[in-house]
Parts: sequence; structure tokens; C-alpha cells
Amino acid sequence: GQNIDQPTEMTATEGAIVQINCTYQTSGFNGLFWYQQHAGEAPTFLSYNVLDGLEEKGRFSSFLSRSKGYSYLLLKELQMKDSASYLCAVRFGSNDYKLSFGAGTTVTVRA
Amino acid sequence: DAGITQSPRHKVTETGTPVTLRCHQTENHRYMYWYRQDPGHGLRLIHYSYGVKDTDKGEVSDGYSVSRSKTEDFLLTLESATSSQTSVYFCAIRTEDNSPLHFGNGTRLTVT
Repeated sequence: GQNIDQPTEMTATEGAIVQINCTYQTSGFNGLFWYQQHAGEAPTFLSYNVLDGLEEKGRFSSFLSRSKGYSYLLLKELQMKDSASYLCAVRFGSNDYKLSFGAGTTVTVRA
Repeated sequence: DAGITQSPRHKVTETGTPVTLRCHQTENHRYMYWYRQDPGHGLRLIHYSYGVKDTDKGEVSDGYSVSRSKTEDFLLTLESATSSQTSVYFCAIRTEDNSPLHFGNGTRLTVT
């Protein structure tokens, strides 16, 4: 599979901001997705980036730099319910649609 | 809710037995996927389908087979289960190009 790297764990305080980084190999890049997964549940889609720049959706934003092979997911005004695993997934190639997933970053929000 | 149902939700089986997991969708989407999720590895693609009777292998397909005889059902079979196949299995569908995957609720399989 493709190397997609993200930190294993992060801890932050309620109301704070947390930034989850994701790096990937740039060859064949064709889009990046972020998913949220609560313990024991299915992953749910958060955001999609294919062009450079920032995409904002309420408290969540995702940034992409294609030349650097780098993305981040920014979670603002953290709430207890944001405690979850956040998965970075990259699509490589254009002829088929296979997503390669990072191992996920577990975010713990503390009161 | 993307109308995806996985069955069973939990299963315990013995080494060497065949096991079939079912993924059912209600919206006639063309693309369906089977992933497994293990600690430290993230989600890994087992097999996927791009139409009835059209399937292809993913990165961890050894020991698994799939079938899709109807648009709505995508079956994953472990021909002879091994302990290394203990995992959580997720089915996913995709609606169109560049759209995100939508996942079912998963099947937790334990091979003893």
C-alpha cells in the first residue's frame, strides 16, 4: 500500500483547537479525504480536498498542499463529542477508485 | 444513512471453517467495497466491485473471495478462516466519481 502517515494520538482541552497532520507520497495523487470514526462505529465522511488550499465546514477545516504531500484537519472549539479517531485517506491514480487509509489519529478531548 | 446493511454484526467461528459476510444496499449504487480494519493498520481494501459480476482484488485479498450476482448484494467469503482474519470488516459503497465512500456498520469477526 501507499505510505500515509498521521500521528497516533492527540489530546486537547474542550474549547481548544487541534490540528491533525497527514503526509503521503505525491506520485499519482488524486484526492484526499478525511473521515471521523467513533469507537465501535463506522467511519463517516468529513471533507474532501483535491486542489491546494483550505476547505471549511463549520468547526472543521481541511487543508491540502499537493506539492508537499501534506494535509491537515483542523478541529476548532472542541467538544467532548469530537473524541474519536480521524482517518486520512488518499486516492491514487485515475483509472480506478481505491482509497489508501492512514492508521488514524485518536483524539481525546478533556474537560 | 446510505442504506447499507451488513450481516451478521458479530460472528465467532473456528479455524478452518468457511464464513460468508453479506453487504446489502438499497440504492442500486454501482461500486461496492470490502475493507478490514485492524489496530495499527487502518482500513485495508480486500476486494471491490464495479458492477454485477465485475470484481477486482485489493491489497489484502489472499484468503478471501467475493461475489456480486445482484446489484444490491456483495458477499465476502473466507474460504477457510484463520486467526489472522480476526478483524472488523466494513462494507462501503460509492455513488459516483470522486464522491466519498459510505460505510456500513461493520462485522466483528473472531476466528478461534
